[in-house]
Amino acid sequence: EPEVTQTPSHQVTQMGQEVILRCVPISNHLYFYWYRQILGQKVEFLVSFYNNEISEKSEIFDDQFSVERPDGSNFTLKIRSTKLEDSAMYFCASRRDRVSGNTIYFGEGSWLTVV
Amino acid sequence: GQQLNQSPQSMFIQEGEDVSMNCTSSSIFNTWLWYKQDPGEGPVLLIALYKAGELTSNGRLTAQFGITRKDSFLNISASIPSDVGIYFCAGDDSGNTGKLIFGQGTTLQVKP
Repeated sequence: EPEVTQTPSHQVTQMGQEVILRCVPISNHLYFYWYRQILGQKVEFLVSFYNNEISEKSEIFDDQFSVERPDGSNFTLKIRSTKLEDSAMYFCASRRDRVSGNTIYFGEGSWLTVV
Repeated sequence: GQQLNQSPQSMFIQEGEDVSMNCTSSSIFNTWLWYKQDPGEGPVLLIALYKAGELTSNGRLTAQFGITRKDSFLNISASIPSDVGIYFCAGDDSGNTGKLIFGQGTTLQVKP
């Protein structure tokens, strides 16, 4: 079964450093997402991406965050200057289209620890 | 913004017991989803509901999409130790950007 893959699985970074989290969505999917889950809390929407541009972003997704689809397969989330409160599990997700029934598939997550 | 209220927050039950959890929303969703998350892993889809009133089963799991499209419940029958985890409901915002809105989660612990 096709799957969304994410790297790295775990990254520890110093506060103020830049971090890039990488994702390879399912190949025929057109909509891409990043979600965040702080330890012990619910999964929160960060950003959706379609047709090479952001289609929606949440309040969490401030100027420190950016996304990019640099080639036909990768979808990245960059955090420019990490803060302690950015420590969380970051999930990439994709779906083929917005037709009800074509649901979202999640990657295994990238656990980011900011120290 | 859209919010889902999921309850209960946690449950501690004996193996073999049935479990029920539910989600309500102030907004209408066209699709309701139930996910399970094991520690350190991503959410895994359990059941998807597409029509108001729909009742769907997946093994020992049964879920229903409320008639008003603002609520859903998930039942687990005859619980087993591997049912332990966090269960999330999610509403599919397919009409806009297709993002999911998640509930707060129900942590299930099963005592053998």
